[in-house]
Amino acid sequence: GAVVSQHPSRVICKSGTSVKIECRSLDFQATTMFWYRQFPKQSLMLMATSNEGSKATYEQGVEKDKFLINHASLTLSTLTVTSAHPEDSSFYICSARAYRGPSEQYFGPGTRLTVT
Amino acid sequence: GNSVTQMEGPVTLSEEAFLTINCTYTATGYPSLFWYVQYPGEGLQLLLKATKADDKGSNKGFEATYRKETTSFHLEKGSVQVSDSAVYFCALEETSGSRLTFGEGTQLTVNP
Repeated sequence: GAVVSQHPSRVICKSGTSVKIECRSLDFQATTMFWYRQFPKQSLMLMATSNEGSKATYEQGVEKDKFLINHASLTLSTLTVTSAHPEDSSFYICSARAYRGPSEQYFGPGTRLTVT
Repeated sequence: GNSVTQMEGPVTLSEEAFLTINCTYTATGYPSLFWYVQYPGEGLQLLLKATKADDKGSNKGFEATYRKETTSFHLEKGSVQVSDSAVYFCALEETSGSRLTFGEGTQLTVNP
């Protein structure tokens, strides 16, 4: 149990376009989902925390107009990178915390974004 | 604020060697402590956790003990395998349901 999926696993887009990444909790309902960014050989940087039905809370230094987060249901959150630039290329990982039961975070497999 | 410090990597060991990856933390309260493992190209998997002082988390031959007096949560394994090659992250959660704070990660390579 407690599986989190991400789609797509890899995406290549051209500079100036937008790309949407989905994060789904497959077998549980997630009150809270987190979005992280990971640079090569570095740790995870929390970008934002999203709660179902409310606006996401962004970490300091993260542009909320560039990284749009929507958490429309208890099983789905999306991250849209708008007007992507090569410096947005990174590994994006989401995690989800269950609505009931342990408060443990379950992580998705990540999405590799490359902006050309 | 909270912080987690891990020993610098990369760490390279031969198969069946003993592993220690040091982790120390700074927190204002009594956090829960975690070790996560990340295999190449994948997300994070919870390896083990401990929620209070003197608790020992264990899984797949890995162990870590929550030491409040030294604010540490060192990861150990008695005999590593090639399949243990991955990046290991130490993390803390200050209160149940709050955000995770990660250490820098330690790359482990085990050679046959």
